[in-house]
Amino acid sequence: EAAVTQSPRNKVTVTGGNVTLSCRQTNSHNYMYWYRQDTGHGLRLIHYSYGAGNLQIGDVPDGYKATRTTQEDFFLLLELASPSQTSLYFCASSDLGLNQDTQYFGPGTRLLVL
Amino acid sequence: QQQVRQSPQSLTVWEGGTTVLTCSYEDSTFNYFPWYQQFPGEGPALLISILSVSDKKEDGRFTTFFNKREKKLSLHIIDSQPGDSATYFCAARTGNTGKLIFGLGTTLQVQP
Repeated sequence: EAAVTQSPRNKVTVTGGNVTLSCRQTNSHNYMYWYRQDTGHGLRLIHYSYGAGNLQIGDVPDGYKATRTTQEDFFLLLELASPSQTSLYFCASSDLGLNQDTQYFGPGTRLLVL
Repeated sequence: QQQVRQSPQSLTVWEGGTTVLTCSYEDSTFNYFPWYQQFPGEGPALLISILSVSDKKEDGRFTTFFNKREKKLSLHIIDSQPGDSATYFCAARTGNTGKLIFGLGTTLQVQP
């Protein structure tokens, strides 16, 4: 079973604050993803990466930066947090196979921006 | 605009009954359709998936059907159990990008 861990699990910050969410996977997967989950919007892809140093823009990237420092570690950065970024954030990883892949999700980080 | 539409938004069934969840899409280039199951307080986990070259895939009590002509897929859960109570997401992917488009989810409650 793939292992994806996220930290912190809960975070409270103020508007304009600086937040970094961390994700680590220990299964040598090439792809990693950051999603946000909101009621009424489901899971929406923020950024993803297919390897160290690579970054791909997802569907809702505004206000977010991301960096993939190693194959294992993927970070999501909110440099000027806003209340609209209050959400449940999930990291996932996958090892892209021929025409299919399984994304393994972490336990999530709940972020509250006051 | 939601690329993958999922219904119903929520559903309650009795234990032992059959649950049917449906999704539809427009993009004919989608070729891989996974279903994810999410319990409260956890991340989603893959339940079952199907490729566009197939029309049915079964895994125990869970079966997913794919209708390419109508651009629809469904998830059937037979003998539904209270432990199946969760939120279910369908998703779709084009080609080999790794990028999934998720539906909004269906919250299932199975009553004993």
